[in-house]
Amino acid sequence: DTGVSQNPRHKITKRGQNVTFRCDPISEHNRLYWYRQTLGQGPEFLTYFQNEAQLEKSRLLSDRFSAERPKGSFSTLEIQRTEQGDSAMYLCASSPWGGGTSYEQYFGPGTRLTVT
Amino acid sequence: GQQVMQIPQYQHVQEGEDFTTYCNSSTTLSNIQWYKQRPGGHPVFLIQLVKSGEVKKQKRLTFQFGEAKKNSSLHITATQTTDVGTYFCAGRTPFSGSARQLTFGSGTQLTVLP
Repeated sequence: DTGVSQNPRHKITKRGQNVTFRCDPISEHNRLYWYRQTLGQGPEFLTYFQNEAQLEKSRLLSDRFSAERPKGSFSTLEIQRTEQGDSAMYLCASSPWGGGTSYEQYFGPGTRLTVT
Repeated sequence: GQQVMQIPQYQHVQEGEDFTTYCNSSTTLSNIQWYKQRPGGHPVFLIQLVKSGEVKKQKRLTFQFGEAKKNSSLHITATQTTDVGTYFCAGRTPFSGSARQLTFGSGTQLTVLP
């Protein structure tokens, strides 16, 4: 399977705990995106990487959220001191780089986070 | 900030009927993409529109981008049960140094009754 993969698929945690999610993009894709999706809403942009550089971060993103893409391949998203409002589906997407051209984004299956 | 609105939020149709969802942006877009998300699935890319007034077709699906590049529509002719899912538009503003992100609409959830 050469699609975008995400692990774990489900995570249940207690409020105040830290969680970390992993995303493995399509291997030749330079761009990687993290989104959050809640029920009945479209994906909400969190952050974007081009290779290993984090080029954009949503202004809505709390300081408790941090993302890395250390070697320009897989990425991790960490949420510290989780809150119940963090419960959502966390989606990763990747796309090829084409200068200023927009390309389709390939989404992974997501990690569903439940904070109790 | 940029807002992308979609209507209707829900649509129930009988199989064979047509379906249309509309997308409106508060700002001019450089391009717009459409995605489909099946129940329990993840968004899957359908198409991208770039030019003002552009119309593209994929079998029974017709996509339009408005002349002012602030609105778009997706029309499905003769719906089938396989069309069930939520359809999202996602817009990108012209690059201004920090505009790689897509802003998704809230989606239109389509139910097709057999």
